[in-house]
Amino acid sequence: GAVVSQHPSWVICKSGTSVKIECRSLDFQATTMFWYRQFPKQSLMLMATSNEGSKATYEQGVEKDKFLINHASLTLSTLTVTSAHPEDSSFYICSASGTGEYGYTFGSGTRLTVV
Amino acid sequence: DAKTTQPNSMESNEEEPVHLPCNHSTISGTDYIHWYRQLPSQGPEYVIHGLTSNVNNRMASLAIAEDRKSSTLILHRATLRDAAVYYCILRGTVYGGATNKLIFGTGTLLAVQP
Repeated sequence: GAVVSQHPSWVICKSGTSVKIECRSLDFQATTMFWYRQFPKQSLMLMATSNEGSKATYEQGVEKDKFLINHASLTLSTLTVTSAHPEDSSFYICSASGTGEYGYTFGSGTRLTVV
Repeated sequence: DAKTTQPNSMESNEEEPVHLPCNHSTISGTDYIHWYRQLPSQGPEYVIHGLTSNVNNRMASLAIAEDRKSSTLILHRATLRDAAVYYCILRGTVYGGATNKLIFGTGTLLAVQP
């Protein structure tokens, strides 16, 4: 079945630094990928939609200059949290949908802790 | 986006069937009903989806009301590994090559007792 690999699974960084999270579709081409954020005991909140070769579409209230998304190939999307602060600490999850599929495949998530 | 309503939590005993309800009274004619589940500290996992007819797969069954305003996810024999948050989500039809996003509600936290 379709597999999405997300890396790293957890990261601790200092306040003010940037962190990059990778999302790869391993056995299919993902024309569209999605990035979510999840705080403890809350549901997933969609941050942005990433389309291969074009600019990401951000949801209302999500700072595009803070959360940089790049989808340079059909198998890789990256989310960079720039100038991270403790309030950016969260569980970040990506998902992908291959062409013609109705089900979405999710990565295993990245636990970001900013100290 | 059409909304879904699910109970916050449910309990089940191991090896017994579980019926997880979902109301979606504002569903449009082209919305698919998707179910995903999320185990602790993991990304969501696809469970099943349907449009009008009931659906079965190796994980679960999906029963869709005739008016499509509600649906029920059925786990035939719950195991401890089925303890998770279950999300019922409506997904619109894909047009022009675009891919519709999934908007998650609060879901149902299923506890399975041994």
